[in-house]
Amino acid sequence: NAGVTQTPKFQVLKTGQSMTLQCAQDMNHEYMSWYRQDPGMGLRLIHYSVGAGITDQGEVPNGYNVSRSTTEDFPLRLLSAAPSQTSVYFCASSYSTGMGEIGYTFGSGTRLTVV
Amino acid sequence: ILNVEQSPQSLHVQEGDSTNFTCSFPSSNFYALHWYRWETAKSPEALFVMTLNGDEKKKGRISATLNTKEGYSYLYIKGSQPEDSATYLCARNSGNQFYFGTGTSLTVIP
Repeated sequence: NAGVTQTPKFQVLKTGQSMTLQCAQDMNHEYMSWYRQDPGMGLRLIHYSVGAGITDQGEVPNGYNVSRSTTEDFPLRLLSAAPSQTSVYFCASSYSTGMGEIGYTFGSGTRLTVV
Repeated sequence: ILNVEQSPQSLHVQEGDSTNFTCSFPSSNFYALHWYRWETAKSPEALFVMTLNGDEKKKGRISATLNTKEGYSYLYIKGSQPEDSATYLCARNSGNQFYFGTGTSLTVIP
């Protein structure tokens, strides 16, 4: 049981490049989400999904796309990287949107630098 | 935006001291309040999820209370140890949307 696996752990992109951050979970969680962590800002929700085939925008969705073709995977795509997207990205999942008694399980994070 | 605020921003305590911090949030459309512990270079780890006004949860030396009517939650650490040093995050969800505070950074001095 690996939990939530994020890849890569580190990435440097040039402005305008595109890339996909991968997130996979093996806990059969319905709810998955992507956050970015910036100094002084707290974790901010980018996109989330309540189940396969269903995605929705969070607080800061611009410049990012997501898809949820399977329960296990929830990739985050940067369409045209900008320096403002330099951040640490966390994927998180939970059994349901109600969270029950457990809350989120977070991945280990991806540190992205856009130059 | 449903602002979640945490105070203090940072805290230094001596080993053995007890301490507490505050999470305040808008009380409207409340669903649940979460507390997470986030050690440096690791991922946030869930401590508590609370949903009902008056909820109290406890895990070892750490406990939390919830007041949904006035919109606040307290996290208490009894007899702080150096391994308690971390950032403590609270988050509030309203349906599918989650809003995190910026955290309280706790340093326990041996």
